[in-house]
Amino acid sequence: EAGVTQFPSHSVIEKGQTVTLRCDPISGHDNLYWYRRVMGKEIKFLLHFVKESKQDESGMPNNRFLAERTGGTYSTLKVQPAELEDSGVYFCASSQKPQLGGSEKLFFGSGTQLSVL
Amino acid sequence: SQQGEEDPQALSIQEGENATMNCSYKTSINNLQWYRQNSGRGLVHLILIRSNEREKHSGRLRVTLDTSKKSSSLLITASRAADTASYFCATPPLFGNEKLTFGTGTRLTIIP
Repeated sequence: EAGVTQFPSHSVIEKGQTVTLRCDPISGHDNLYWYRRVMGKEIKFLLHFVKESKQDESGMPNNRFLAERTGGTYSTLKVQPAELEDSGVYFCASSQKPQLGGSEKLFFGSGTQLSVL
Repeated sequence: SQQGEEDPQALSIQEGENATMNCSYKTSINNLQWYRQNSGRGLVHLILIRSNEREKHSGRLRVTLDTSKKSSSLLITASRAADTASYFCATPPLFGNEKLTFGTGTRLTIIP
């Protein structure tokens, strides 16, 4: 069974440019999450999809970030225009249907290392 | 506010020794999870301990949970070079969705 895959693994762009990150969750996983780790700090939640619907986008930093999950399969996270502080590692994770009490473990992709110069 | 804080931030030990990492959290939880991240790779789920459990074992891993102190510890026994990684604790909300809150992690280096 394929795991969560993310593309690209690395992206180096200039401030003001646009970057789109892609995540393919494990087949059959309704839940898809985006997280970000900036400069060795804590891993922060960005948003959560249940199938194609945004369940929780409270962690999205601002309107320069746009996430989509058309058809409830893969997801994209677009940053436009990118700023220096957007640099970091962007992780995607997926899980099956949530169970009561938050007991579902997440399966993570390898992340996209984004560098904004 | 940050939910999980790991301590220490970095730890270096000799291969074969035991490594202990601690995690503190702020709000009530149903469970606490530990994840590992090897350099350049994604996070891998290690172990989950529920709020009504005090200790749990999985191979060379031993996790404790003290809900009265809102803290957890991860012990790795007989460490190996392959254990070199960053370790994070994570907690889901008491109610609602599966959103996990992670801490800053402990960077563990095993010296051969």
